[in-house]
Amino acid sequence: AQRVTQPEKLLSVFKGAPVELKCNYSYSGSPELFWYVQYSRQRLQLLLRHISRESIKGFTADLNKGETSFHLKKPFAQEEDSAMYYCALRGGAQKLVFGQGTRLTINP
Amino acid sequence: GAGVSQSPSNKVTEKGKDVELRCDPISGHTALYWYRQSLGQGLEFLIYFQGNSAPDKSGLPSDRFSAERTGGSVSTLTIQRTQQEDSAVYLCASSFPLAGVDEQYFGPGTRLTVT
Repeated sequence: AQRVTQPEKLLSVFKGAPVELKCNYSYSGSPELFWYVQYSRQRLQLLLRHISRESIKGFTADLNKGETSFHLKKPFAQEEDSAMYYCALRGGAQKLVFGQGTRLTINP
Repeated sequence: GAGVSQSPSNKVTEKGKDVELRCDPISGHTALYWYRQSLGQGLEFLIYFQGNSAPDKSGLPSDRFSAERTGGSVSTLTIQRTQQEDSAVYLCASSFPLAGVDEQYFGPGTRLTVT
């Protein structure tokens, strides 16, 4: 079975502080992992994917197969980072399996 | 270019009525997906189309739910005899799997409220 767990429904940090949104997955094969973001009154959009190994808007995420994790990190949070973040997995099929999401609030 | 569009943006219906939700994917995208976003449930996969065929219907919650896609483009999700638990935001996404990147692009969603 494929499962994605985001243990924090809500996360609040101050501007300039580091941010880490946790994501753990369950899948027996080699998954593709993604982070999607939904800003207020906007549609869901891809933030980054593990195979690209890129940094988008200062965010990075490293796939740790030993810990089955794909945590999203940013060293210095900005107010515009406030949004809903979803971790997603694709394993052997086209569909995405999403976690329940973490609402990130950046306080000024 | 134009993104994924969905209509209506909002739909309020009475319990027991049938509803149809429409999705227009990005032109040229062969893959189309329906997801449901509800409070406490996160985002759930419903069905996936490749062209007009649906190789994965595993997420449809009951036989009251059905979907079709015509001409390899527009898709309609139909919910028969709606129940209050069907209230959610229904999201459509499309992608071009052969492009290598295969990013799913999402529409704005249809908010369904069953009273």
